[in-house]
Amino acid sequence: GAVVSQHPSRVICKSGTSVKIECRSLDFQATTMFWYRQFPKKSLMLMATSNEGSKATYEQGVEKDKFLINHASLTLSTLTVTSAHPEDSSFYICSAREGLARYISSTDTQYFGPGTRLTVL
Amino acid sequence: AQSVTQLDSHVSVSEGTPVLLRCNYSSSYSPSLFWYVQHPNKGLQLLLKYTSAATLVKGINGFEAEFKKSETSFHLTKPSAHMSDAAEYFCVRTDSWGKLQFGAGTQVVVTP
Repeated sequence: GAVVSQHPSRVICKSGTSVKIECRSLDFQATTMFWYRQFPKKSLMLMATSNEGSKATYEQGVEKDKFLINHASLTLSTLTVTSAHPEDSSFYICSAREGLARYISSTDTQYFGPGTRLTVL
Repeated sequence: AQSVTQLDSHVSVSEGTPVLLRCNYSSSYSPSLFWYVQHPNKGLQLLLKYTSAATLVKGINGFEAEFKKSETSFHLTKPSAHMSDAAEYFCVRTDSWGKLQFGAGTQVVVTP
């Protein structure tokens, strides 16, 4: 149980185009999903918290107009990288917190997707 | 500031020998702590989780970790390393908002 998928697993795009990444919780519902970015040989950096039915909450320094997040259902969140540039190339990982509670508890477990490798040429 | 410190960026062990990955945390409250493993180009898999119950936590694949409040540590151990244990390991804590804070990671290499 508690499986999270991401699609696509790998994408290459031209500079200036937009790319959409999907994150799905396959066997559970999640009101809250998270999007992380990981640079090579680095740790994960939280970009934003995706809330079902409401606006995402972005971390300081993350451009919300560049990284559009939509969480339209209890099993799907999408991240769209708009007008992508080479510096946006990275490994993007989503996670989902199991449960329907809106309040995030410190004891919650997050289940991670396999990641999406974005390369912008 | 609340943080997580993984004391070793790189650990090399021989197959069949014990593995020790060190993690210290700072927190003004009793945090939830996790160990995750990441294999190359893969997402993160939860190894184990501490949430103020038993201080010795057993996880998957033979890993365990001990929460020591007096030492503010949450070290990960495994009695006998396997080749498949080669991966990146992250010690993680939750902040007061429930968001995850990651350590810098420890790269484990297992030699035959």
